[in-house]
Amino acid sequence: EIVLTQSPGTLSLSPGERATLSCRASQSVSSSFLAWYQQKPGQAPRLLISGASSRATGIPDRFSGSGSGTDFALTISRLEPEDFAVYYCQQYGSSLTFGGGTKVEIK
Amino acid sequence: EVQLVESGGGLVQPGGSLRLSCAASEFTFSIFSMDWVRQAPGKGLEWVSFIGSSSGPIYYADSVKGRFTISRDNAKSSLYLQMNSLRAEDTAVYYCARVRGSGRGYMDVWGKGTTVTVSS
Repeated sequence: EIVLTQSPGTLSLSPGERATLSCRASQSVSSSFLAWYQQKPGQAPRLLISGASSRATGIPDRFSGSGSGTDFALTISRLEPEDFAVYYCQQYGSSLTFGGGTKVEIK
Repeated sequence: EVQLVESGGGLVQPGGSLRLSCAASEFTFSIFSMDWVRQAPGKGLEWVSFIGSSSGPIYYADSVKGRFTISRDNAKSSLYLQMNSLRAEDTAVYYCARVRGSGRGYMDVWGKGTTVTVSS
């Protein structure tokens, strides 16, 4: 099973700042089958990125995904108030696993 | 609007059973694979089960194998999860999600979830 480790666990930033979230896999993720989700309290997760770097429909371009192999990142170029949430990565190249999540909180 | 609506959650005693349902609307349910994903209180996401568009293939997480059964009725645009021999650690919000893409797929549409509480 591919284990995904997300870091940091919590990121404290101010609106307008840049956020970089990391997702590291225990083995190479085939074909960059890596997705990112955003979850706000009391809500279902929302798909942001698939295929490591393809934004889902309706996702603002301040969200970008990058990486390949075992190292992936989600970057939010300028944090908006509505971006403070928990973010999960998920690999779907070998079975399916989620990372433990990164909470982006207001500093 | 593409939508998934879960139902069937509730309070059940350890060892009991529960059947969750997920009703799909505004898309052609029969051509999509589907997942169940759960989230224990204050915890992260855990994949539970997958079913292909024509009821196969079917996969389960080790934590539920032998106790949970996933199924679907394409004529009714509905997905189900039969949960038997429930344990306290099965307490969670259960989401159904539409699967897209290659490999095992990612989830592009999620329901709002239904809460299952296993407690005496």
